[in-house]
Amino acid sequence: DTEVTQTPKHLVMGMTNKKSLKCEQHMGHRAMYWYKQKAKKPPELMFVYSYEKLSINESVPSRFSPECPNSSLLNLHLHALQPEDSALYLCASSLTPAANYGYTFGSGTRLTVV
Amino acid sequence: QQQVKQSPQSLIVQKGGISIINCAYENTAFDYFPWYQQFPGKGPALLIAIRPDVSEKKEGRFTISFNKSAKQFSLHIMDSQPGDSATYFCAARKGTGNQFYFGTGTSLTVIP
Repeated sequence: DTEVTQTPKHLVMGMTNKKSLKCEQHMGHRAMYWYKQKAKKPPELMFVYSYEKLSINESVPSRFSPECPNSSLLNLHLHALQPEDSALYLCASSLTPAANYGYTFGSGTRLTVV
Repeated sequence: QQQVKQSPQSLIVQKGGISIINCAYENTAFDYFPWYQQFPGKGPALLIAIRPDVSEKKEGRFTISFNKSAKQFSLHIMDSQPGDSATYFCAARKGTGNQFYFGTGTSLTVIP
């Protein structure tokens, strides 16, 4: 298995909703990442997990809450989002935190906040 | 500020032509330079990467040229095909830490 699987592929949520994004990989990668990507822009780093521990939080608002239950799974819990949070949310993983061979990205969750 | 500068923003090439995308950086601590290809509605996919101890790396129709003294690197796509139409991002990683800095992206359109 050489993939990063993200679910759901599309999500529409209201500003008062609570939802979660899920990311899974079975490549034995020990670092996992959440990125946010707006249209025609590069991905922006949100969170980094190294060996299931949060190692980087790029000053992301608390309405985004990451969770890494085990080495294969990464969640992003969403609550009280704003319309400007609408974006493509990408999960990525790398063999080690040093990412000497780059990232493997998932296909993303297209989030629309209404 | 933008750690990796990428140009052009968009590029139109005839089928069979050569596509060239350029990136420049300032931080000499960067030690790994990948290129990602992204199709609409998909996540970026690692295309090819280079380390600063080599000046060129070729994989099929894709070549990275690296100029360490000028702190520049570029992606060349030979015999460009309509299926190559996508957005391309260059990136750079510092030797310490695991964060990649992405360029702003180049939207490539290959006309049949």
